[in-house]
Amino acid sequence: AQSVTQLGSHVSVSEGALVLLRCNYSSSVPPYLFWYVQYPNQGLQLLLKYTTGATLVKGINGFEAEFKKSETSFHLTKPSAHMSDAAEYFCAVSDPGGSRLTFGEGTQLTVNP
Amino acid sequence: EPEVTQTPSHQVTQMGQEVILRCVPISNHLYFYWYRQILGQKVEFLVSFYNNEISEKSEIFDDQFSVERPDGSNFTLKIRSTKLEDSAMYFCASVAVAVFGEQYFGPGTRLTVT
Repeated sequence: AQSVTQLGSHVSVSEGALVLLRCNYSSSVPPYLFWYVQYPNQGLQLLLKYTTGATLVKGINGFEAEFKKSETSFHLTKPSAHMSDAAEYFCAVSDPGGSRLTFGEGTQLTVNP
Repeated sequence: EPEVTQTPSHQVTQMGQEVILRCVPISNHLYFYWYRQILGQKVEFLVSFYNNEISEKSEIFDDQFSVERPDGSNFTLKIRSTKLEDSAMYFCASVAVAVFGEQYFGPGTRLTVT
């Protein structure tokens, strides 16, 4: 069975500061990893995904994440936060043979002016 | 840009009543999903659907749930006899290719069972 743990249900940063949202996973097979963002009253939007190949993945809106197998982590970062980044962020995992997503509990990001 | 749509945005129903949640996936997508999120909890997988049949379902998806693609465009989730614990946000998603593919999510239907 797969699982995802997101450390910190709420993260608050200042505008222009580094954003770091933590995600650790558990999987018995090589995982596919995803970060989704949810803005208020909207659906989940894919930020980036890792399937195979390069472990540093770049996504939309300046976000990136690095797959670290030894640490079973897939942390999301952005060098400089913008007010428009305020949203809820979900880390998710699926196994290569299937397509169902297993989500973490989400991290609410607040960006302060 | 194509998007997944869901109706209604909010549904209020009484315990024991049947509800149908509707989704219109992206037109060329072949795989369809329902997820739910109980307030304050994780987004949970319910069921996946391909080629007019269920391809995978979770332990949550018991006999009170059913899915259907009645007309080649809509994808519905039916809850036969709603319970208080069915109150949640229900998300539909679709994808063109199951493996590697990005799941596109709709905005969700908030179901409130009273």
